[in-house]
Amino acid sequence: AQSVTQPDIHITVSEGASLELRCNYSYGATPYLFWYVQSPGQGLQLLLKYFSGDTLVQGIKGFEAEFKRSQSSFNLRKPSVHWSDAAEYFCAVYNSGAGSYQLTFGKGTKLSVIP
Amino acid sequence: ETGVTQSPTHLIKTRGQQVTLRCSSQSGHNTVSWYQQALGQGPQFIFQYYREEENGRGNFPPRFSGLQFPNYSSELNVNALELDDSALYLCASSLERGKHTQYFGPGTRLTVL
Repeated sequence: AQSVTQPDIHITVSEGASLELRCNYSYGATPYLFWYVQSPGQGLQLLLKYFSGDTLVQGIKGFEAEFKRSQSSFNLRKPSVHWSDAAEYFCAVYNSGAGSYQLTFGKGTKLSVIP
Repeated sequence: ETGVTQSPTHLIKTRGQQVTLRCSSQSGHNTVSWYQQALGQGPQFIFQYYREEENGRGNFPPRFSGLQFPNYSSELNVNALELDDSALYLCASSLERGKHTQYFGPGTRLTVL
């Protein structure tokens, strides 16, 4: 089964600084990868996804992610963080088993933004 | 276009009771997946429904069961509630089964006392 690792539990950045959240996956073939964001007590909002093609993916709210097969990574980046970006971020990969495709999530990275 | 909706928002139950959570899928979506998110953890897959049939199940006991209706809305039922069932329950819908993007609802916060 595929798995996802988010090495950083909590990251704090200053407003206006750049951001990179790390995600590593384990999978033999080409993975289907996602980044979701969750504000406190809320559901998950899709930021971006990678299925195939261009390895640099653009998402909403100015986020982008780069798929690097050689490093088994799909890191999320933003050039300038806004206070409203404070939230929890989840990387996920599609896992196939028993006839269905289900998302396997990392444990999340909590982002705090200092004014 | 209406997104995924879930009800109720919050729920408090006592151990041993039964609970039903509801989910309305996004317009045009025929596949619904349910996830459990314990505090401080990532969501974990419970099961998926496609055209009213269960289409895959995660590592959850049989007391977690579900239904999908002809309009593709869905219910999650949990019997004999345990304290560890306290979590945020998330519903996600997708256009079809397979490798399609899943869109999540706001979740139902279940507290078991």
